[in-house]
Amino acid sequence: NAGVTQTPKFQVLKTGQSMTLQCAQDMNHEYMSWYRQDPGMGLRLIHYSVGAGITDQGEVPNGYNVSRSTTEDFPLRLLSAAPSQTSVYFCASSYSAQLGGQLHSPLHFGNGTRLTVT
Amino acid sequence: DAKTTQPTSMDCAEGRAANLPCNHSTISGNEYVYWYRQIHSQGPQYIIHGLKNNETNEMASLIITEDRKSSTLILPHATLRDTAVYYCIVRPINRGAQKLVFGQGTRLTINP
Repeated sequence: NAGVTQTPKFQVLKTGQSMTLQCAQDMNHEYMSWYRQDPGMGLRLIHYSVGAGITDQGEVPNGYNVSRSTTEDFPLRLLSAAPSQTSVYFCASSYSAQLGGQLHSPLHFGNGTRLTVT
Repeated sequence: DAKTTQPTSMDCAEGRAANLPCNHSTISGNEYVYWYRQIHSQGPQYIIHGLKNNETNEMASLIITEDRKSSTLILPHATLRDTAVYYCIVRPINRGAQKLVFGQGTRLTINP
C-alpha cells in the first residue's frame, strides 16, 4: 500500500490565485481529513469527511473547500489564496469507528504539502 | 475529550530510556490514551494507545497509573531518529480518530 499520498509537495502561489491540493489513500478508509500546521503551532483541523459524499467543517475552514466524490480522494481547494494561508498542509485518513470499523484505527498522515502565498 | 498536560521539551541521551509524561486528571472511564509523534517536517505517526493496563509494542511502552490520571510513554533505547514532537491525546473509544485534536506536545531531543 502507498498509504496517504499528497501532491504537490511544494507550491508557491500569488495572492488571489486558486489551486487544489490533492490527497489520495489506498487503504479503503472511510474517514479523511485536512490539517494545517503553522510554525511553532500544533495541527489545526480544516475540513473532514466520514465517507463519500459527506464533508464537514473543522476548526479553521474559511477560505477552503472540499469534496469527497470517491472513498479514495479528498481534495482541498483554495479559492483565492491569501498570505495567511502560507502553511504546511497534511491530509490524514482512518477507518471510521462510527461505521463499525476498527475502533482504534489510528490516523495515517501524508507527508504534507508546503504552500507559500506571496 | 479530556485535557492533557505535557512538558514543553525534554532531552535524553542516545541509548538511554526516554520517559515522556502526560497528565490527564479529568479522563473519563471510556477514554483511551493515545500517543503520536511528529518527526521534523513529516506527518504525525501513531505510536501506541491504552485504557488502563500497561501496553507495549515494537515502538514503545505505555504505563498508565492505577487512577488513570497520568501516563508515561517509554522509548526504551532512544536513538537520534526518535527526536520528534510527541503528542498525548485522550479521547473516547466511540469517536475513533475523528476530529483528533493535537496540542503542543513535548519536543524530545535525543543527544549523541
